Amino acid sequence: KAGVTQTPRYLIKTRGQQVTLSCSPISGHRSVSWYQQTPGQGLQFLFEYFSETQRNKGNFPGRFSGRQFSNSRSEMNVSTLELGDSALYLCASSGLQGRTEAFFGQGTRLTVV
Amino acid sequence: DAKTTQPNSMESNEEEPVHLPCNHSTISGTDYIHWYRQLPSQGPEYVIHGLTSNVNNRMASLAIAEDRKSSTLILHRATLRDAAVYYCILSYGNTGKLIFGQGTTLQVKP
Repeated sequence: KAGVTQTPRYLIKTRGQQVTLSCSPISGHRSVSWYQQTPGQGLQFLFEYFSETQRNKGNFPGRFSGRQFSNSRSEMNVSTLELGDSALYLCASSGLQGRTEAFFGQGTRLTVV
Repeated sequence: DAKTTQPNSMESNEEEPVHLPCNHSTISGTDYIHWYRQLPSQGPEYVIHGLTSNVNNRMASLAIAEDRKSSTLILHRATLRDAAVYYCILSYGNTGKLIFGQGTTLQVKP
């Protein structure tokens, strides 16, 4: 079956702009989580959606938001971009909540200039 | 959130077993222990997970201490392709939330 698909793969934005990243989970998976990876902070949890509801949220400012659609596809949005938002954004999907493996996408590399 | 502690780096020789340790002294009863690895320029890849009992799969074995405060990932015969950052993670209860630590960078020498 198809893996987790993230689009776009690469993105360059200017400070102050906003950006929307997309994640298509594996068919049948209802949990989608988002992570930010930077060299300095490593992999940090952003938020998790399950059946269109945000179930968990990490310690990020309100500029970071997300949503999940009825087909489990998810988007995350970052408003008023800052240079420090430059990172690899990873999406993961899983089936039976935390009891099964999570499948990660290749990520979206966001560069803010 | 319960945290994990891993050595920053480890080295192994090709075709030898590797034991990657992890401490998680504040683990709660509903936290699953997961191991993922990340190769350069790729997203993390699932390796194995367990709750209380030792687990085996085609990639590795997971040995969990009786008090669940530590665990060990065992790669039975390391190959050059196993060189990666290995993360020991506790899932947050029954949710999909994974809290990553700094991980262990495994180097495999030919």
